[in-house]
Amino acid sequence: DQQVKQNSPSLSVQEGRISILNCDYTNSMFDYFLWYKKYPAEGPTFLISISSIKDKNEDGRFTVFLNKSAKHLSLHIVPSQPGDSAVYFCAASVIGTGANNLFFGTGTRLTVIP
Amino acid sequence: DAGITQSPRHKVTETGTPVTLRCHQTENHRYMYWYRQDPGHGLRLIHYSYGVKDTDKGEVSDGYSVSRSKTEDFLLTLESATSSQTSVYFCAISRRQGQNTEAFFGQGTRLTVV
Repeated sequence: DQQVKQNSPSLSVQEGRISILNCDYTNSMFDYFLWYKKYPAEGPTFLISISSIKDKNEDGRFTVFLNKSAKHLSLHIVPSQPGDSAVYFCAASVIGTGANNLFFGTGTRLTVIP
Repeated sequence: DAGITQSPRHKVTETGTPVTLRCHQTENHRYMYWYRQDPGHGLRLIHYSYGVKDTDKGEVSDGYSVSRSKTEDFLLTLESATSSQTSVYFCAISRRQGQNTEAFFGQGTRLTVV
């Protein structure tokens, strides 16, 4: 059973606009959440994370929002650029349990149209 | 760059043959992981290692074995490859930042079992 879900397999956005990628989780024990970005023929790269004591974390054009009551997180990219076109994976874990307890979503392919 | 090298990058093998994938790291990390990535499933943990000769199973370990005789090398073996093991395999290490642990991935090995 998938504990982390990304229900949108793909998303297309115009360059300069906002991209919003969504992720839902079912395990209420999760308290640390991450986003990874993956280009074709490369490994996933860590993008941004948030712990459950926060509801927002920002890093440049990337902001992650966490809604614990809804078990939902989202990644906002503003403004979107063509180089942001990639597959984005969200992941969740319990703090202190290590990356062997990191659960990934199925990914959302973002296409930014020039 | 997490200092991870996977080899080979691509491999085609026949059903029933043994296959070994290698992961080499240069940063002396204690924890190493093998994941597979499949459409509709995201990334799933196969096995992980928490030190030399210390390994444990992940979510999808059936049909796979691992070995770690040196800190820098983590080998994944398919004893008798099956078509269901056609996938992209990623090795990862983890870096602890406070209580939080992120996984950092290699570039992947695309394995096709025919």
